[in-house]
Amino acid sequence: NAGVTQTPKFQVLKTGQSMTLQCAQDMNHEYMSWYRQDPGMGLRLIHYSVGAGITDQGEVPNGYNVSRSTTEDFPLRLLSAAPSQTSVYFCASGPRGENTEAFFGQGTRLTVV
Amino acid sequence: AQTVTQSQPEMSVQEAETVTLSCTYDTSESDYYLFWYKQPPSRQMILVIRQEAYKQQNATENRFSVNFQKAAKSFSLKISDSQLGDAAMYFCARYQGAQKLVFGQGTRLTINP
Repeated sequence: NAGVTQTPKFQVLKTGQSMTLQCAQDMNHEYMSWYRQDPGMGLRLIHYSVGAGITDQGEVPNGYNVSRSTTEDFPLRLLSAAPSQTSVYFCASGPRGENTEAFFGQGTRLTVV
Repeated sequence: AQTVTQSQPEMSVQEAETVTLSCTYDTSESDYYLFWYKQPPSRQMILVIRQEAYKQQNATENRFSVNFQKAAKSFSLKISDSQLGDAAMYFCARYQGAQKLVFGQGTRLTINP
């Protein structure tokens, strides 16, 4: 059972380039979300989805787009990378309900130069 | 914004001793969920323990226990008999529904042999 799979694990981008961080889960979870982790700030929510076709913004959505065409996949798109987007990105998923554990991918370390 | 605060950026403890990590939070809800996550150098986010606010009893998982003070909005993590494998970043988090988590800034725990 793979759980939550993120690709790539590491990426270096030039300012202005675009890219997509991939996230896939094989647990049939309804909920999926993206976080960024910066030193001294913990993890902050970028976007989340409560099911296929439904997405919404989190705390820090600017500069990022998401879509959820299937239950399994929740890609995060950087339209025009900026140095401020240098961070570690985590995808998470979880089943519907209140007292649920969020299952995290192993993260993507992104550097924008 | 409803926040989670960890006021100890770094903590250290001798192996086999006990350490307590602090966390305070802000919420207007009466029922909610709180979590402690561990992030070792591998970057993987691992759920350590969870607490449901309406439950009076403090949660316990083996060597890990919490001191939940609802009126004070305090949620500290106690690690007993500290082991070298406990060295990690620890994040306190509050669940906001639909897999949305609000994280604290993190506490880096060092275990001294």
